[in-house]
Amino acid sequence: EAQVTQNPRYLITVTGKKLTVTCSQNMNHEYMSWYRQDPGLGLRQIYYSMNVEVTDKGDVPEGYKVSRKEKRNFPLILESPSPNQTSLYFCASSFRTDGELFFGEGSRLTVL
Amino acid sequence: KQEVTQIPAALSVPEGENLVLNCSFTDSAIYNLQWFRQDPGKGLTSLLLIQSSQREQTSGRLNASLDKSSGRSTLYIAASQPGDSATYLCAPYTGGGNKLTFGTGTQLKVEL
Repeated sequence: EAQVTQNPRYLITVTGKKLTVTCSQNMNHEYMSWYRQDPGLGLRQIYYSMNVEVTDKGDVPEGYKVSRKEKRNFPLILESPSPNQTSLYFCASSFRTDGELFFGEGSRLTVL
Repeated sequence: KQEVTQIPAALSVPEGENLVLNCSFTDSAIYNLQWFRQDPGKGLTSLLLIQSSQREQTSGRLNASLDKSSGRSTLYIAASQPGDSATYLCAPYTGGGNKLTFGTGTQLKVEL
């Protein structure tokens, strides 16, 4: 089954404790992206990747890091999480940047 | 900067009604526009992708139209069903890796 898989789906952590949210797609997609969704602000892009070893900032990259060492994986790293990073996070992928976008189920993160 | 507005923000209709969801965007230089559906606590599912050269795109009971020059798109849902209850988001794409802008969505409730 074609899918984008995120883990963990739910996480409660404390300020400053490094965490990684994994994202994996099985569709051989070139393009992958991370979004956060907050009430009243909608979906905002954090980082994106056009291909392996090619990543770039989206609209709200502060406090986040990403890597794209393999085509299928695009982990999101929070080196020192803060409460303002409490949000619902989505990973997405597509064949091309202008193609149909496939989303993961989301990861709800709470930073205390 | 692209701004996307979806009206209404929420809509409640009885089962069987035909309905129209509206999306307007400020930058008409788009390559395509996607309509997504989001169920509570879930990721987004792409419903339709309409290219800038197209006027309409249909999938089952869904029909999306695009008037690029006026910066508008509509999603028409025929014979609505309770299973259509969800939030619907539109996202015009203006090129590059970070040029997909999401609206805040229309929350639809279809009642028995």
